[in-house]
Amino acid sequence: EAGVVQSPRYKIIEKKQPVAFWCNPISGHNTLYWYLQNLGQGPELLIRYENEEAVDDSQLPKDRFSAERLKGVDSTLKIQPAELGDSAVYLCASSLIEGDEQYFGPGTRLTVT
Amino acid sequence: GNSVTQMEGPVTLSEEAFLTINCTYTATGYPSLFWYVQYPGEGLQLLLKATKADDKGSNKGFEATYRKETTSFHLEKGSVQVSDSAVYFCALSGTYKYIFGTGTRLKVLA
Repeated sequence: EAGVVQSPRYKIIEKKQPVAFWCNPISGHNTLYWYLQNLGQGPELLIRYENEEAVDDSQLPKDRFSAERLKGVDSTLKIQPAELGDSAVYLCASSLIEGDEQYFGPGTRLTVT
Repeated sequence: GNSVTQMEGPVTLSEEAFLTINCTYTATGYPSLFWYVQYPGEGLQLLLKATKADDKGSNKGFEATYRKETTSFHLEKGSVQVSDSAVYFCALSGTYKYIFGTGTRLKVLA
């Protein structure tokens, strides 16, 4: 069984540029999470999807961040425009049901210069 | 609100030493508790879990017991190996919120 797939693995952009991250969860997993992980910190939830519905986006900075999960499978997280403080690792995870163990992708390391 | 507190690292041990990483939590209701491990350059992966009080989760020689009376879920291993060097995260799941601790880095020396 394939794990959670994320791309790209690394991204370097200049501030004020847009950037997008893609995630393909484990087949059959209804719940999808996007997390932000700063160096030396634990993951912090940005948004949680149940199928195609965003059920918790309270921590998503909506002025510059957006996300979508069309058809309840793949998901894309976008930042526009990026700021220096957005440099971090963006993790995608999925679970069969909400609250259960999560399966993480390898993450996308974003560097904003 | 819900929260997780882990002991700060790094923790440096010699091979075959005993490991304890402390984790305490604050939560309403009856959360599930997890330990995840993150190896360099990889995403987090589940190490073990416990879903109710007094449950013991175990995997790869690691153990943790869900103690409701002390609101703790300490991670232990009797004899660590160099390959156990990683960052360990305690997490809880309750009331539609999944919360991670800040992580504890473990370094095992040969």
